[in-house]
Formats: sequence, C-alpha cells, structure tokens
Amino acid sequence: EVQLVESGGGLIQPGGSLRLSCAVSGVTVSSTYMNWVRQAPGKGLEWVSVIYSGGGTYFADSVEGRFTISRDNSKNTFYLQMNSLRAEDTAVYYCARDSPYCSAASCYVDYWGQGTQVTVSS
Amino acid sequence: QPVLTQSSSASASLGSSVKLTCTLSSGHSSYIIAWHQQQPGKAPRYLMKLERSGRYDKGSGVPDRFSGSSSGADRYLTISNLQSEDEANYYCETWDSNIHKVFGGGTKLTVL
Repeated sequence: EVQLVESGGGLIQPGGSLRLSCAVSGVTVSSTYMNWVRQAPGKGLEWVSVIYSGGGTYFADSVEGRFTISRDNSKNTFYLQMNSLRAEDTAVYYCARDSPYCSAASCYVDYWGQGTQVTVSS
Repeated sequence: QPVLTQSSSASASLGSSVKLTCTLSSGHSSYIIAWHQQQPGKAPRYLMKLERSGRYDKGSGVPDRFSGSSSGADRYLTISNLQSEDEANYYCETWDSNIHKVFGGGTKLTVL
C-alpha cells in the first residue's frame, strides 16, 4: 500500500525559507505524479504544486516564483522548497499522490499524507 | 478553467441518507471529479472518482454506504445509513491541463 510521510514543517519568520519532505513507500516517485496541497487554518484545500513522472513541474499562481518542487529517486522522496515565505503561507501542507489511472481527461488524488504544519510569523 | 461549487454546510439525522452536490462551472460539465472526506483533525481521505455518466470507482476500504451519481454539471455524493463518523468536511476535486488541479470549497456535514 502507498504511504506518504511528510516532515520539515515548523515556525519560520516572514521572508524565511523552509524545505518540506515527503517520504514515499509502496510506489516509485519517479513513475508517478506527486502533489503538494495546503490547508490554511479553518479553510479548504488549496493545490500548491505538482511534479509529473516526466519531470515537469507546475505551481499555483500564489506560490509561483517562490516555491520549487523536486524529487530524489534514490531516496524515493519528494520535496517542496519554500522561499520568501509570507504569513498567508501558514497552513498544513499535505503531500498527495495522483492516481496511476490519470489520463488526458482526468487526474485525481488517491493517497494523502498526514500533513505537516507550517507557521509563518514573527 | 473549471470551478467547483459546493454548499458550505449540510445536515442529516443518524441513520438517514444525505446527498451532497458539487457543481462544475459552465463549459466543464463533462469533467471527471473525485470526492474526498476530511474528518475533524485528520488528513483528507480519497472516497471515489465520479464520471459524467454516473459511473464511480471507490477507494480501498470505502464503505458501501457511499455512492456517487451525476446529472449534467452536477456530481453527487450520497451517504446512506449515516453514522456519527461520517460527520466531516467533504471536498470535490477536478483537473485541467491549464490549472492542473482545483478543489471545491467543501461541505461541512453535520450528523444530528
């Protein structure tokens, strides 16, 4: 079974940087689509970023230019590097795997991690 | 770009049924969606993928009480024989090659 375990969250000052990790088991990260999704306090889910199996990466407008996503195939882990952090980035960050049945017509999350809290505050 | 609209809240009695709605924006009525459940203080959990035809595929371990259906731009999640553990937020999700992924605002379900 697929398991996703996030780490790296914490309290960080505005303007600072943080790197989140998502350790993956049960599937090879290089062969699947992996996402970061966040949830601000009391709010809904917001998609942040994706890395596709071919290596393509995409970001929500709210984080474009500040966040990067990457993976380490040897560690079967993927990462979210967050720079120039703002108060509005405060949220629980979830890693989430897209279904292996994704197609040109649809793609959806079928496994979620437990989340890691990021708090941006002075 | 698709937008997903959900009612902010719903309620139903223990043992009864409830039907939650996720509506796709104009021009996107053919899109496939997924439903996710988020119990209080927990991570989201994938429930099912739901097609325009009404065909749905549930995730592993999702009880038979959960089912999906569709009508035009509306995608429904029906929960039968409501249990206390069904009290949760329910989110729909879809995908588009331009925006990659979008979620509805979520429906908070209260079991009375």
